[in-house]
Amino acid sequence: GENVEQHPSTLSVQEGDSAVIKCTYSDSASNYFPWYKQELGKRPQLIIDIRSNVGEKKDQRIAVTLNKTAKHFSLHITETQPEDSAVYFCAGSPNDYKLSFGAGTTVTVRA
Amino acid sequence: EPEVTQTPSHQVTQMGQEVILRCVPISNHLYFYWYRQILGQKVEFLVSFYNNEISEKSEIFDDQFSVERPDGSNFTLKIRSTKLEDSAMYFCASSVGLKAGYTFGSGTRLTVV
Repeated sequence: GENVEQHPSTLSVQEGDSAVIKCTYSDSASNYFPWYKQELGKRPQLIIDIRSNVGEKKDQRIAVTLNKTAKHFSLHITETQPEDSAVYFCAGSPNDYKLSFGAGTTVTVRA
Repeated sequence: EPEVTQTPSHQVTQMGQEVILRCVPISNHLYFYWYRQILGQKVEFLVSFYNNEISEKSEIFDDQFSVERPDGSNFTLKIRSTKLEDSAMYFCASSVGLKAGYTFGSGTRLTVV
């Protein structure tokens, strides 16, 4: 089945700096890659997603890039703010009916 | 904004007991899912459900688990005989279509003692 690896596991950045989280996937059939943000004790919330026919997608301070050849995708957060502190999960969709999640990255934005 | 509602928010049960976790998906969504998250770990897929039948299930979803959509609004996960290792946060999710963004519920924290 699909195996999604996520790095780093923790990331500490200074407020205003950028944060980058990288994920790789194993199943070349995967073609949908969402990113979720999970604050402590709360539900995962979709922040951005990308489909395999697109190489990059941007939504304000958040962007995601996808390299199908290398089977990796990345989340970029620019001008980080304290409220960006959370656990971020990448996921891949190996078929139409489930998501395989990465292990998560705990992002801490230092004021 | 529409929400996926889960009840109860917390459930403590004795090992071997049956539990039913309840979810009310968003009304116009057609695809329903259960995921679980053991404390501090990744979110794991359990099962997906569409058109009143299971579309896909993981190896975690063994004979002790079942899902049901008993009426037009509820979606339930039943664990027949709970084990200690079933302790986790269980998230229900729904989506309007395939490969559409999921909306997760707020979760049920299940503790098996």
